[in-house]
Amino acid sequence: GAVVSQHPSWVICKSGTSVKIECRSLDFQATTMFWYRQFPKQSLMLMATSNEGSKATYEQGVEKDKFLINHASLTLSTLTVTSAHPEDSSFYICSAPTGQNEKLFFGSGTQLSVL
Amino acid sequence: GQNIDQPTEMTATEGAIVQINCTYQTSGFNGLFWYQQHAGEAPTFLSYNVLDGLEEKGRFSSFLSRSKGYSYLLLKELQMKDSASYLCAPMDSNYQLIWGAGTKLIIKP
Repeated sequence: GAVVSQHPSWVICKSGTSVKIECRSLDFQATTMFWYRQFPKQSLMLMATSNEGSKATYEQGVEKDKFLINHASLTLSTLTVTSAHPEDSSFYICSAPTGQNEKLFFGSGTQLSVL
Repeated sequence: GQNIDQPTEMTATEGAIVQINCTYQTSGFNGLFWYQQHAGEAPTFLSYNVLDGLEEKGRFSSFLSRSKGYSYLLLKELQMKDSASYLCAPMDSNYQLIWGAGTKLIIKP
């Protein structure tokens, strides 16, 4: 089946630094990728939809300048958390559909801890 | 608005059967997904229903009633490894998944 690779799996960083998370579709092309954030015991919250070759679409309340998304190729999307703060500590997950109403394939997630 | 309602937590016994219900309200409908999520891990796909009725896949079955905005996930012959959160996620008219908080299923020996 389709595989989505996400790394790093976990990262600890100091407040004020930037962290980049990569999401790759390994055996299919993904024109769209989704980025989610999940706090403990809460539902997945869609942050943004990453579109290959164009600007990402951000959900209401998500700061575009803080969460930079780049989808430069059909197999790679990156999320950069800029000037991270402790409140940004969360589980970040990417996913990609193989079709318009196809199931999503998820990356393994990135646990971000900002000290 | 869009809304998902499923129980927060359920407990069942190893070897038994459990049914996790989900009611939903969405702007348009393009099917409903069930995902399993173990703590600290990403969700994994379980099932997809777009037509009314029951879809069976091994120990797991999923049912959909579009007119009632209702779905359930049925897990048979429960195993300890089935302890996880189960996420009901309908897809709206924009092909966006709407996520609820999920149902935490606890399996006891």
